Amino acid sequence: NAGVTQTPKFQVLKTGQSMTLQCAQDMNHEYMSWYRQDPGMGLRLIHYSVGAGITDQGEVPNGYNVSRSTTEDFPLRLLSAAPSQTSVYFCASSYRTGRSEQFFGPGTRLTVL
Amino acid sequence: RKEVEQDPGPFNVPEGATVAFNCTYSNSASQSFFWYRQDCRKEPKLLMSVYSSGNEDGRFTAQLNRASQYISLLIRDSKLSDSATYLCAVYNQGGKLIFGQGTELSVKP
Repeated sequence: NAGVTQTPKFQVLKTGQSMTLQCAQDMNHEYMSWYRQDPGMGLRLIHYSVGAGITDQGEVPNGYNVSRSTTEDFPLRLLSAAPSQTSVYFCASSYRTGRSEQFFGPGTRLTVL
Repeated sequence: RKEVEQDPGPFNVPEGATVAFNCTYSNSASQSFFWYRQDCRKEPKLLMSVYSSGNEDGRFTAQLNRASQYISLLIRDSKLSDSATYLCAVYNQGGKLIFGQGTELSVKP
């Protein structure tokens, strides 16, 4: 199993550009989520999904969209990138809800100029 | 105020020391509690879950105090390899898993 994979590993955007961060898991996990990590802020939940077709907002959803058309994939879209979105983005999945062990991807380091 | 809070540290301790971290949470309906470990620039990994009765895994002991709404992590006989950031996480009834800011631990020879 590859576990949780994220692409790209690094990305530089200009203000106003849009892009999609990809996340996929091959463990047949129902629960998937996106976090951003900034210095001194820990992990902050952006969006999460309890299953295909179901998504909900986390702590810091503004400026991001998600969809969950399949169990395996949970892409995160930045609609119009801003410098405040410069961060490390982690995707995570777990067997069932947030009660289970979260398996994280390696992260995407995003810089918005 | 963040829903889950930790002392960010850093905690600088010598090898062999005992160190304790606390994590407070504000939602009294929180259901599940965890400690994750994160090495520099890597993804977090589960260290241990925290049960109501407390639990121990080798040199690591986790406890939950529901009345005061905090969880703790005790590391005994610290090793150099314990140097990392320790993140507490709290699962709420609404389906959200919320993390604290993380506590940085540096174990020195």
